[in-house]
Amino acid sequence: SQQGEEDPQALSIQEGENATMNCSYKTSINNLQWYRQNSGRGLVHLILIRSNEREKHSGRLRVTLDTSKKSSSLLITASRAADTASYFCAPGYTGGFKTIFGAGTRLFVKA
Amino acid sequence: DTAVSQTPKYLVTQMGNDKSIKCEQNLGHDTMYWYKQDSKKFLKIMFSYNNKELIINETVPNRFSPKSPDKAHLNLHINSLELGDSAVYFCASSQDDGTAFSGNTIYFGEGSWLTVV
Repeated sequence: SQQGEEDPQALSIQEGENATMNCSYKTSINNLQWYRQNSGRGLVHLILIRSNEREKHSGRLRVTLDTSKKSSSLLITASRAADTASYFCAPGYTGGFKTIFGAGTRLFVKA
Repeated sequence: DTAVSQTPKYLVTQMGNDKSIKCEQNLGHDTMYWYKQDSKKFLKIMFSYNNKELIINETVPNRFSPKSPDKAHLNLHINSLELGDSAVYFCASSQDDGTAFSGNTIYFGEGSWLTVV
C-alpha cells in the first residue's frame, strides 16, 4: 500500500515537553503534508513540505524531510493539552497516486 | 460558514437498510472525496469526483454508490448495509484534478458516524 506510516502509534507526554512523531513512505514524492485530527472531528491541515525542502517551521511545529530515507518527522515544541490529537502524514507521490492516510500517531499531552 | 459540511453526523441503522450521507462544500473546489475511517483509525479513500465526474473508485463494494449532482455536492448512498460498514465516513474537497495528491490542502468535513446493528 502507499500510505504514509506514522510512528509511534501512540505517544504520551507532559505539558511543556516536546513531541516527535515520524512518517515513512515508499516511493518518490513531490511533497508531504501533516494533518491533525481531534477526537470526533475531521482532519485539519497543519503544514506542507516540498521534496526540495529539508526543514520547515510553522509556529511550534517543525517538520523535517529526508528523501534519501523516505521519512519525515513532525516536532511539536512546548506541547499543550490542546495538542492532544491524532497526527497523520500524507505523502504526495510523483506517480500521481491517490491519497491514502495511515493510522496516525495518537498524542496525549497530560496537563 | 462551514467549508465542508456533511449530514447526518450520527446514523444508527439496521443491517439490510439503505442509507445516504450528504456532503456539500462552499469552497469552490473542483474535487470532492469520500474517505472511510475504520475502528483502527486507518483513513482510506473510497471515491473522488472532479467536476461531477468519477475519477477514483477504490475497491469498494458496489453497494456504495456516490452521486455528484454538481461540483459542490457529493452524496454517498449505501445499499443493503452490513455490520462491517460501521465506520466514520469523511467527505473532503480540494482544488486539484482528483487523480493525484498534488499537494493542495484537503479540507475535511466533520465526519458521519455510521453504526450498523
